[in-house]
Amino acid sequence: AQRVTQPEKLLSVFKGAPVELKCNYSYSGSPELFWYVQYSRQRLQLLLRHISRESIKGFTADLNKGETSFHLKKPFAQEEDSAMYYCALGGGNKLTFGTGTQLKVEL
Amino acid sequence: NAGVTQTPKFQVLKTGQSMTLQCAQDMNHNSMYWYRQDPGMGLRLIYYSASEGTTDKGEVPNGYNVSRLNKREFSLRLESAAPSQTSVYFCASSGLGGDQPQHFGDGTRLSIL
Repeated sequence: AQRVTQPEKLLSVFKGAPVELKCNYSYSGSPELFWYVQYSRQRLQLLLRHISRESIKGFTADLNKGETSFHLKKPFAQEEDSAMYYCALGGGNKLTFGTGTQLKVEL
Repeated sequence: NAGVTQTPKFQVLKTGQSMTLQCAQDMNHNSMYWYRQDPGMGLRLIYYSASEGTTDKGEVPNGYNVSRLNKREFSLRLESAAPSQTSVYFCASSGLGGDQPQHFGDGTRLSIL
């Protein structure tokens, strides 16, 4: 069975501080992992995917198969990063989403 | 660039009423999905259609039915609405396969009184 765990419901950081949003997964096959973001009053949108190994809006995420983790990181938080972030695991023609972490960047 | 379009955006129903949520995509995607989003629960898959002509249950299918009308359209029906179905409903589409990124609609905010 596929499972995604995001242990933090809310993460509050100050502007300019580093950000790490945690994501752990459980999957027997080769995982396809994604981060989605939902800004206030906007639709859910793809932020990044592990196979792209790219940085989007300063965010990066590295797949660690040994720890079964795909944490999202950014060295310096910006006010516009405040949003809901979902980690998702792809497999079997569908995605399994975590419960989400609300990131609040305070001035 | 419409992408995924959902109608209606808001709806209030009384317990026992029925309604259909509509979803259409213009990206020529094979797969379409219906999710519900509840506080503290994240997004939970209700039903999905991997390709035209097929539908499968997701994590929380009870109380819902779906129809993949054609490649573009995928509707979600509540036959007898219950207060527990009060939620925000999202439709999404993607290329075939769980490794494909999904594109989401704006959501339908549904309240059942």
